[in-house]
Amino acid sequence: DAGVTQSPTHLIKTRGQQVTLRCSPKSGHDTVSWYQQALGQGPQFIFQYYEEEERQRGNFPDRFSGHQFPNYSSELNVNALLLGDSALYLCASSLGATTNEKLFFGSGTQLSVL
Amino acid sequence: AQKVTQAQTEISVVEKEDVTLDCVYETRDTTYYLFWYKQPPSGELVFLIRRNSFDEQNEISGRYSWNFQKSTSSFNFTITASQVVDSAVYFCALSEAGGSYIPTFGRGTSLIVHP
Repeated sequence: DAGVTQSPTHLIKTRGQQVTLRCSPKSGHDTVSWYQQALGQGPQFIFQYYEEEERQRGNFPDRFSGHQFPNYSSELNVNALLLGDSALYLCASSLGATTNEKLFFGSGTQLSVL
Repeated sequence: AQKVTQAQTEISVVEKEDVTLDCVYETRDTTYYLFWYKQPPSGELVFLIRRNSFDEQNEISGRYSWNFQKSTSSFNFTITASQVVDSAVYFCALSEAGGSYIPTFGRGTSLIVHP
């Protein structure tokens, strides 16, 4: 039973560039949430996708956008990268849009913005 | 205001010692959920426990135990007879009905268990 998979593992970009991160949820899960984890901090919620729509959004600017595909996989796009976007980006999956369920996390994508 | 406070940034113990990780939360909701997650060096957060606000019963799972006290808004986590494999960052999280159940994580406690 495959867990949550994320790609790429590491990414280095320069300021102003755009980046796309990818996530495949755990088998049987239909909801994907994205989190940003800065060094030494807890994960911060970016947004949640369910039924190919953004259902919930955290306090992140419009530079952060996403998409969910019919097979429930998801992408996180960040435009106009800033140095402060450097972080570990975690994808979490669950069943159903009710987020009080336990989350299954991937190992994340480490994004470095130079 | 920080909704989940993990005051211990880092704890260092020697194997076989017992260790308690503290978590204090803040909410006005009567319906909420509390979680603990473990983040090993590989990066993925691993779910440990979920407790709802109507269930204050403490729980034990092997060497792990959790103490939920609504009177002090705390949900502490104890590892008995710690092992090197317990070394990780541990996060406490709160999800509230008023926040659409989006979990808010604390800053985490890094536990280092020395052999």
